[in-house]
Amino acid sequence: GAGVSQSPSNKVTEKGKDVELRCDPISGHTALYWYRQSLGQGLEFLIYFQGNSAPDKSGLPSDRFSAERTGGSVSTLTIQRTQQEDSAVYLCASSPLPGSSYEQYFGPGTRLTVT
Amino acid sequence: QQQVKQSPQSLIVQKGGISIINCAYENTAFDYFPWYQQFPGKGPALLIAIRPDVSEKKEGRFTISFNKSAKQFSLHIMDSQPGDSATYFCAASNGGTASKLTFGTGTRLQVTL
Repeated sequence: GAGVSQSPSNKVTEKGKDVELRCDPISGHTALYWYRQSLGQGLEFLIYFQGNSAPDKSGLPSDRFSAERTGGSVSTLTIQRTQQEDSAVYLCASSPLPGSSYEQYFGPGTRLTVT
Repeated sequence: QQQVKQSPQSLIVQKGGISIINCAYENTAFDYFPWYQQFPGKGPALLIAIRPDVSEKKEGRFTISFNKSAKQFSLHIMDSQPGDSATYFCAASNGGTASKLTFGTGTRLQVTL
């Protein structure tokens, strides 16, 4: 079946603009995660959604970052007033259920460049 | 605060050799330790994972060794092949219902002919 898809694959934006990144998880997966991968860094957890529970936002770096998940499926990560330090690859992952017994399947990522 | 430290940053191994990547963690609540493989332009993919109740897990040419008392774990790739050239990330989570992963900084492996 189809894997996790993300769009756009690349996004170039000017400093100060808002951007929206989209994630389509694997159908039926209830858990959805956003991570950020900066050059030379590992992956940094941003936010986690599970069903109708309140999301775990503990990894969001500032209040310029927000995310939502509509209908328990598609998720959108929004970055307001982008800064150059926001440049990174944003990765989405989904898993069938929450908990470490379940593999997280990653999408190909969105490469964001803020000029 | 970096909770998972990974080394080396890069590694060059000849075909047929053994590749070894090491990780150390700080949070004793971690109870799940996966390794991810990432090719350029792709998302990471789970390679192999271990829980702290065992000291070693082997899947094909890939082995995880785990030392709970030292809070260290390592990935060994036996008979390394050029197709293994990729970036490898160790990670850890503390399970439960919020299994967000804490990743190491990655090791870029190059296997030469």
